[in-house]
Amino acid sequence: AQSVSQHNHHVILSEAASLELGCNYSYGGTVNLFWYVQYPGQHLQLLLKYFSGDPLVKGIKGFEAEFIKSKFSFNLRKPSVQWSDTAEYFCAVEAGTYKYIFGTGTRLKVLA
Amino acid sequence: GAGVSQSPSNKVTEKGKDVELRCDPISGHTALYWYRQSLGQGLEFLIYFQGNSAPDKSGLPSDRFSAERTGGSVSTLTIQRTQQEDSAVYLCASSRGQRETQYFGPGTRLLVL
Repeated sequence: AQSVSQHNHHVILSEAASLELGCNYSYGGTVNLFWYVQYPGQHLQLLLKYFSGDPLVKGIKGFEAEFIKSKFSFNLRKPSVQWSDTAEYFCAVEAGTYKYIFGTGTRLKVLA
Repeated sequence: GAGVSQSPSNKVTEKGKDVELRCDPISGHTALYWYRQSLGQGLEFLIYFQGNSAPDKSGLPSDRFSAERTGGSVSTLTIQRTQQEDSAVYLCASSRGQRETQYFGPGTRLLVL
């Protein structure tokens, strides 16, 4: 069955630290990949997405993600986090015509 | 314009009762999705509508769950004979089409006592 794994469930960082959140998926075919973010008290919103082309994707607020096909991974990175990045981050894969599989999420807390 | 709205925002019900959850997508969005988020779980895909049609209903957890969409707009998710394990946040999202960015609503928090 298709699945998405986010290995870090809770991450605590100090401001200015670098961030990398892992995401691995299981599906051998063509995939579209997404990272969504949910800030406290807000709706889920799209951070970035990869459909094709350059495997290094840049999103909003300085986030980027790299698609490594051989590793079935789509890790999220940010060189220097801010307190305002405190949120829950979800990786998602669209592996069919419409079906989206989400990971269990990673709660990031950034200490000021 | 307005975003995706869902109602009610919270619903407490007794085991065995039926509940109806509503989603108003962004105007003009043809695709609509329902998800369920249980405590400590990721988002579980339930069903997808393209227009008024749901090509695959296999994501619905049981035959107590049903969903419909009318006029290519509002959608309702109905849970019959609710059980305690149905307690979760039910999220709706809409998009301009397949594979377009999904815009999520605030969710309906359902508690079955």
